[in-house]
Amino acid sequence: GAVVSQHPSRVICKSGTSVKIECRSLDFQATTMFWYRQFPKQSLMLMATSNEGSKATYEQGVEKDKFLINHASLTLSTLTVTSAHPEDSSFYICSASTLAGSSSTDTQYFGPGTRLTVL
Amino acid sequence: LAKTTQPISMDSYEGQEVNITCSHNNIATNDYITWYQQFPSQGPRFIIQGYKTKVTNEVASLFIPADRKSSTLSLPRVSLSDTAVYYCLVGENFNKFYFGSGTKLNVKP
Repeated sequence: GAVVSQHPSRVICKSGTSVKIECRSLDFQATTMFWYRQFPKQSLMLMATSNEGSKATYEQGVEKDKFLINHASLTLSTLTVTSAHPEDSSFYICSASTLAGSSSTDTQYFGPGTRLTVL
Repeated sequence: LAKTTQPISMDSYEGQEVNITCSHNNIATNDYITWYQQFPSQGPRFIIQGYKTKVTNEVASLFIPADRKSSTLSLPRVSLSDTAVYYCLVGENFNKFYFGSGTKLNVKP
């Protein structure tokens, strides 16, 4: 099946620093990638939609200047949390969409997640 | 985007068949129904996807009635390792997913 990786899996940083998280589709090309965040015991919350070669589309309430998304190739999207603060501590998960051949189905495959802790 | 409703939690015992039903009354013509499983501190794992009638793979079956306003994920003979949160999502090609609360399945010995 399709595999999505994330790096790093866990990061601890000081308040005010920036952190970059990479999301890669390992065995397929992903025109569209999505970024989610998940707080403890809560569901996933969609942050933004990332399209290769174009600007990301952010969900309402998500600061685009704080969460910078770049989708430079069909296999890589990055999320940079700028000037991170303790309230940004969360589990960040990416997903990538595949197009199943000539059928009209489309499936999202998720990465393993990145645990960000801001001190 | 279609909203989904699932039971918050379910209990089962090892070896039993578990059926989790999801309501999606506002499903659109182009929407597919996808189920994911999530363990703590892991990304959701794709289980099964369907559009209508019945879909079966090596881990689960998905039953979708003709009106498509609901769907049922069936897990045969669950084990302790199936304890997880299960999410039902509806959407069309390349569309974004809005996750609901999911169903926390607790499998007991």
